[in-house]
Amino acid sequence: GESVGLHLPTLSVQEGDNSIINCAYSNSASDYFIWYKQESGKGPQFIIDIRSNMDKRQGQRVTVLLNKTVKHLSLQIAATQPGDSAVYFCAENQGAQKLVFGQGTRLTINP
Amino acid sequence: DARVTQTPRDKVTEMGQEVTMRCQPILGHNTVFWYRQTMMQGLELLAYFRNRAPLDDSGMPKDRFSAEMPDATLATLKIQPSEPRDSAVYFCASGLGNQPQHFGDGTRLSIL
Repeated sequence: GESVGLHLPTLSVQEGDNSIINCAYSNSASDYFIWYKQESGKGPQFIIDIRSNMDKRQGQRVTVLLNKTVKHLSLQIAATQPGDSAVYFCAENQGAQKLVFGQGTRLTINP
Repeated sequence: DARVTQTPRDKVTEMGQEVTMRCQPILGHNTVFWYRQTMMQGLELLAYFRNRAPLDDSGMPKDRFSAEMPDATLATLKIQPSEPRDSAVYFCASGLGNQPQHFGDGTRLSIL
């Protein structure tokens, strides 16, 4: 029979639009956060990170925002391209480099 | 580009057989992690090493799983005996200090 798995949140955006992927984390003591991108058949690929003493960090076409008050993290991708289609994971460092990953969000780009 | 290398890429075997997965971390990285990814549980940390010493293997079923680092260029994850519920993608990642972990492309394991 069909296996039941995680129901991944899905975000569909038009090519060229901006994407915002959200993540809630659990541990208020977490001091380091990372966003990873996972394409089909590949391992998670580092995109951008942020430490808890910052609330915003920008990379090439990506921006991460951290709101420690509500334990919320977001990833903004500017001018989304077909190659951005993937599952995006946030991860929090709960100490000693031990990462705990969120369930992931599937980003689909519509032409 | 330096990469984490995992072998084999795919493994299909029968229940009860021993399975060995290998990982070559990025040269110079001193921390190695083993993760398992399934549809039901997502990405879970199984074990990790720093400077070849095991730091935490609390995520790993102890009775059948074992993880070792025979040297700085090789990490192994063994399952003996394997069971169908072990079917998953197993990822190795390596890191250095406070820098982000870099992942390999995984071993897709199917236990029949």
